[in-house]
Formats: sequence, structure tokens, C-alpha cells
Amino acid sequence: EPEVTQTPSHQVTQMGQEVILRCVPISNHLYFYWYRQILGQKVEFLVSFYNNEISEKSEIFDDQFSVERPDGSNFTLKIRSTKLEDSAMYFCASSEARWGSGNTIYFGEGSWLTVV
Amino acid sequence: DAKTTQPPSMDCAEGRAANLPCNHSTISGNEYVYWYRQIHSQGPQYIIHGLKNNETNEMASLIITEDRKSSTLILPHATLRDTAVYYCIVRVEWAGNNRKLIWGLGTSLAVNP
Repeated sequence: EPEVTQTPSHQVTQMGQEVILRCVPISNHLYFYWYRQILGQKVEFLVSFYNNEISEKSEIFDDQFSVERPDGSNFTLKIRSTKLEDSAMYFCASSEARWGSGNTIYFGEGSWLTVV
Repeated sequence: DAKTTQPPSMDCAEGRAANLPCNHSTISGNEYVYWYRQIHSQGPQYIIHGLKNNETNEMASLIITEDRKSSTLILPHATLRDTAVYYCIVRVEWAGNNRKLIWGLGTSLAVNP
């Protein structure tokens, strides 16, 4: 079964450092997402991406965050200068290009980011 | 915020059916009911979704009431590996071509031997 893959599975970084989280969405999907989950809290939407541009972003997704699809397969989330509160599990997700509701979003296993 | 109400926790005996309820009294006509689960901080796993008809797949069944104000996810023969947090999601906001899922706190299901 096709799946969304993410790397790294776990990263520890110093506060203020840049981090890039990588994702390979399901191959025929054209809509991509990043969500995050702080330990013990709800899953939160960060950003959605389609046709090489951001479709929507949440208030969490400030200027320190950026997303990119550098080639035909990868989708990346960059945090420019990490803060302690960025410590969380980051989930990449993707869905098919199809109009209408009832579309299914599939998630990767997550990248656990620890900022120290 | 999430438009669903779920019990925070439930227990189920292994081999028995697990029935997880969800209230979504403010659901609108074009909103689907989605169920995902998350096993110990792994990535959310899609289970099933429906609009108004009952749905069944290899993982579960989804029963939606006629007025669509509530639904029940049924795991017909729960196993220990079904221990997870189960999320019922109905708020799927549109943003141009995309949509986002808004998550609540879900139901923590413990399947006991």
C-alpha cells in the first residue's frame, strides 16, 4: 500500500538552529500538508500546499516556517531558527487531486523534533 | 474548533466489538464524518469516512444516524493492536483547492486481554 514517508524520524537540535524535515508524499497525490502535535496535545494544522504554492496556513506557520517542493517527489518543511516551543512531532500528509469532499488525507509516521 | 464530542476514554475486551460514539450535532449537509486513529504518537491512520450512508471497510464500520447528528465507529473484533486514540472529525474547512482537518482530543480506547 502506498504511504507517506518522512525523514528523519527523530532530530535533536540546538535552539536557534535551522531544521529541515523531509517528506515523500504518495506518488499520485497533488495536495500536501504539514501538521504538528506537541506532546500530549491535539494535532494542529500548519500549512497546505498545492501547485507549488501555499494554499492555506495557520497562525502557527509564521515567518520562521517555510515549505518547498524542490523536485518531483520531496516536500520539505524548514524551520529557520528553532525555538524550544517548536519541539513537537511533525506530520506530513497528502491527498489526491480531486474536487469535492470525501477526499482522504494520508499521514506519514512523523518526525519528532526536540529543541534543546 | 472541533465540532465533535467524544468520550475521553473507553475500554473493550479483546475479541469483542468496540463501539466508539461521536456527537456532531452541528454538522452541515456537505460535511463528511472522518475517523482516524493514532497509536502511541505514531502518524494518524485513516480508518473510514462517510456522508450519510453507513460504510464498511476491512478495518471498521461507520454507522451514521439518519439526522447525521451522531455516528458510531465499530471495530467488530477488537485486538490488542487496536489500542489507540480514535478521532472523529467533521470540520473539514475548505481553502481553495485544499482542506484541513481540525482535531479534537479523541477517545482513548484500551483493549484488554
